[in-house]
Amino acid sequence: DTEVTQTPKHLVMGMTNKKSLKCEQHMGHRAMYWYKQKAKKPPELMFVYSYEKLSINESVPSRFSPECPNSSLLNLHLHALQPEDSALYLCASSQDWEGSYNEQFFGPGTRLTVL
Amino acid sequence: GEDVEQSLFLSVREGDSSVINCTYTDSSSTYLYWYKQEPGAGLQLLTYIFSNMDMKQDQRLTVLLNKKDKHLSLRIADTQTGDSAIYFCAESSWGKFQFGAGTQVVVTP
Repeated sequence: DTEVTQTPKHLVMGMTNKKSLKCEQHMGHRAMYWYKQKAKKPPELMFVYSYEKLSINESVPSRFSPECPNSSLLNLHLHALQPEDSALYLCASSQDWEGSYNEQFFGPGTRLTVL
Repeated sequence: GEDVEQSLFLSVREGDSSVINCTYTDSSSTYLYWYKQEPGAGLQLLTYIFSNMDMKQDQRLTVLLNKKDKHLSLRIADTQTGDSAIYFCAESSWGKFQFGAGTQVVVTP
């Protein structure tokens, strides 16, 4: 199984809502990532988890809260988002984070629209 | 400025070869990657090259690396309509990925 799955595929939420994005992989990877991607732009790294611990937070606003319940799951909790947070949110995983070869496997993404 | 640069657009006729170029600045990069993204989808790894290699061939794909000039290219032979997508080059060096801006490839019949 070389797949990273993400749910939901699409999400529309108001600025006062609380929602969560979910990501799952069963490749035994120890590093998991959240990226934000705006249209026609490259993915921007948000968070890196390594061995279930948060290793990198790229100065992401606190309205985004990541969680790694176990080595296969990664969540992104959303609260009080702004319309400019509308984007494609991509999850990825890799064997480990600090190794020299760091092939990242990407999920299909969640298309988020904030009204 | 960006650490990884790519031209933004490439138009190619079906059956021709496509060449997508990328330059990077981090000389400590150990691996360089090419990812493909189709509309509405995630990123799919196409190929990668280790920094001590000059060339790697994988079916229709050829990667050339000029480490002195920090220049990476991806050649797609016999380009098909299914190759229409955005192609990202990326470098990694003991940690985070740095993606280029992406090259949109449009294949015309």
